[in-house]
Amino acid sequence: SQQGEEDPQALSIQEGENATMNCSYKTSINNLQWYRQNSGRGLVHLILIRSNEREKHSGRLRVTLDTSKKSSSLLITASRAADTASYFCATDSKGSGNTGKLIFGQGTTLQVKP
Amino acid sequence: ETGVTQSPTHLIKTRGQQVTLRCSSQSGHNTVSWYQQALGQGPQFIFQYYREEENGRGNFPPRFSGLQFPNYSSELNVNALELDDSALYLCASTPGGQETQYFGPGTRLLVL
Repeated sequence: SQQGEEDPQALSIQEGENATMNCSYKTSINNLQWYRQNSGRGLVHLILIRSNEREKHSGRLRVTLDTSKKSSSLLITASRAADTASYFCATDSKGSGNTGKLIFGQGTTLQVKP
Repeated sequence: ETGVTQSPTHLIKTRGQQVTLRCSSQSGHNTVSWYQQALGQGPQFIFQYYREEENGRGNFPPRFSGLQFPNYSSELNVNALELDDSALYLCASTPGGQETQYFGPGTRLLVL
């Protein structure tokens, strides 16, 4: 079963613009992670935000987490054509035996036009 | 580059056959997880191994089984293949004491 729902499903922007993707989830979490996937290949880890954190930055990436709304957003600033990929959020839920079992959303497909 | 490798990259099998997929991770990555990703979907958790023992399982039938070896390699075995088993299979390893999972490039399995 999918924990997260991502919005939008697809996003097309021009190079240099910012891209924002949203993720909602259902259960309490230990952390939330964002991954990028190019053309059906392996996933590349982008950033991890813990349940007690509200915002995190890494280069051109900014992630926010609102545990009261069970939602997160990923902002990519000054996008580049190389950012074209699918982006997934994944949650590591609380509860015994759940740690390390990532539950993924269905992803947002981002196209950055040169 | 995550240091996680998977073999083979592609595989074609027929319904009813058995398949073994392999994953190799870095030294010290004592947790390995396997995921199935159907076309257009997010990955779904199959199971996780920690120090060679199963440490959690998703909603997959027993014909999906695994092994983890002391040399940080692991296997995913699927018996009695079904058409719906066609997917990208991903393994991910986690260094001891960390939370981040590092994914391999995946094995794309097609069941005819």
